[in-house]
Amino acid sequence: NAGVMQNPRHLVRRRGQEARLRCSPMKGHSHVYWYRQLPEEGLKFMVYLQKENIIDESGMPKERFSAEFPKEGPSILRIQQVVRGDSAAYFCASSPQGPTLGSNQPQHFGDGTRLSIL
Amino acid sequence: GQQLNQSPQSMFIQEGEDVSMNCTSSSIFNTWLWYKQDPGEGPVLLIALYKAGELTSNGRLTAQFGITRKDSFLNISASIPSDVGIYFCAGQLRGSQGNLIFGKGTKLSVKP
Repeated sequence: NAGVMQNPRHLVRRRGQEARLRCSPMKGHSHVYWYRQLPEEGLKFMVYLQKENIIDESGMPKERFSAEFPKEGPSILRIQQVVRGDSAAYFCASSPQGPTLGSNQPQHFGDGTRLSIL
Repeated sequence: GQQLNQSPQSMFIQEGEDVSMNCTSSSIFNTWLWYKQDPGEGPVLLIALYKAGELTSNGRLTAQFGITRKDSFLNISASIPSDVGIYFCAGQLRGSQGNLIFGKGTKLSVKP
């Protein structure tokens, strides 16, 4: 499967614990985007990363949330001290390059991690 | 924040009918994308549009990038049961870093 791989597919945490969500982009893709989806809603942008760099984190809460995309290995979205409101589906997307006007660089999505907070 | 208004919110159609849905915004977009999401899965890209006025087809699906750059529509011809799902429009704002703004989705249900 050459698609975007996310794991785990389902994650259950108790309030106050940490959640770590992983995303391996499609082969040849060096740009990763994280989105959050609540039930009956569209996806909301959180953060955009290139290898070892955060390009845009304007959609990510300033506290408790962090993201990285190291030189080697998957991108990680980390949520510390989780609260009930963090329950959602978290999707990762990847593209070969960043956005340039008129370029054919659509984002392809993984199947998400469904995070449930008890 | 920026909003995409997607309509209709849901629709029931007979198999074989044509379907149309659209997204509008008060902002100008560089890119319009249409995705389909099935329960428990991630969005799957259907059509990508990059130029104002562009009309693109993918099988029974046709989408257009509005000439004003503020809207897009998706048409599905001769619908079949497997077309059931939620369809999302997504756009990349002019001048943005690359993040997509999503509509709230159109839930399509087909009567067999």
